Amino acid sequence: GQNIDQPTEMTATEGAIVQINCTYQTSGFNGLFWYQQHAGEAPTFLSYNVLDGLEEKGRFSSFLSRSKGYSYLLLKELQMKDSASYLCAGVDSNYQLIWGAGTKLIIKP
Amino acid sequence: TAGITQAPTSQILAAGRSMTLRCTQDMRHNAMYWYRQDLGLGLRLIHYSNTAGTTGKGEVPDGYSVSRANTDDFPLTLASAVPSQTSVYFCASSDWVGGFGTGELFFGEGSRLTVL
Repeated sequence: GQNIDQPTEMTATEGAIVQINCTYQTSGFNGLFWYQQHAGEAPTFLSYNVLDGLEEKGRFSSFLSRSKGYSYLLLKELQMKDSASYLCAGVDSNYQLIWGAGTKLIIKP
Repeated sequence: TAGITQAPTSQILAAGRSMTLRCTQDMRHNAMYWYRQDLGLGLRLIHYSNTAGTTGKGEVPDGYSVSRANTDDFPLTLASAVPSQTSVYFCASSDWVGGFGTGELFFGEGSRLTVL
């Protein structure tokens, strides 16, 4: 079956670095998305990885290892506004997105 | 720029009643989707449409129907609502069909539906 696993909740301190992991099992693989979702709001796009390696976008970076079925989202210089849920989604052979349940990130001062 | 507009934003509905959630996009995206989001679960695909005139079933289609008469509109209908359909519903669109396009999903603000 298809499955996306990510931690339910993480806590980090303002100014620090946090890594949110995601492991995936999909029927075929056509990339992996990360989305951010603030409470009561719609998800917004953060990144899309289809090749192995690290992609950096400002304070946020996303990493993919296809051989390990593994990705992570790295958030640096954490700010209070980064408190949100982070959703991992794998893309299967039919280009359908398989979503994880999301990781709720709590930032403490 | 409006992007994707959903209506209503919130609704309380008696079980057995019908309801249509509206979704309109102004980005001329080919693909549109309806998801439901429940606490502790990931976004689950209800129905999708890769282009006007075509629709497909997602992971949880039972009890829901959709139509795609044109590029911009993708309404979701609950013919006879049940309490298990209480959820937050998100409409989304993308220019990504079969791997072509940027891949980014644009979401509406969501419709919170409570079925009593």
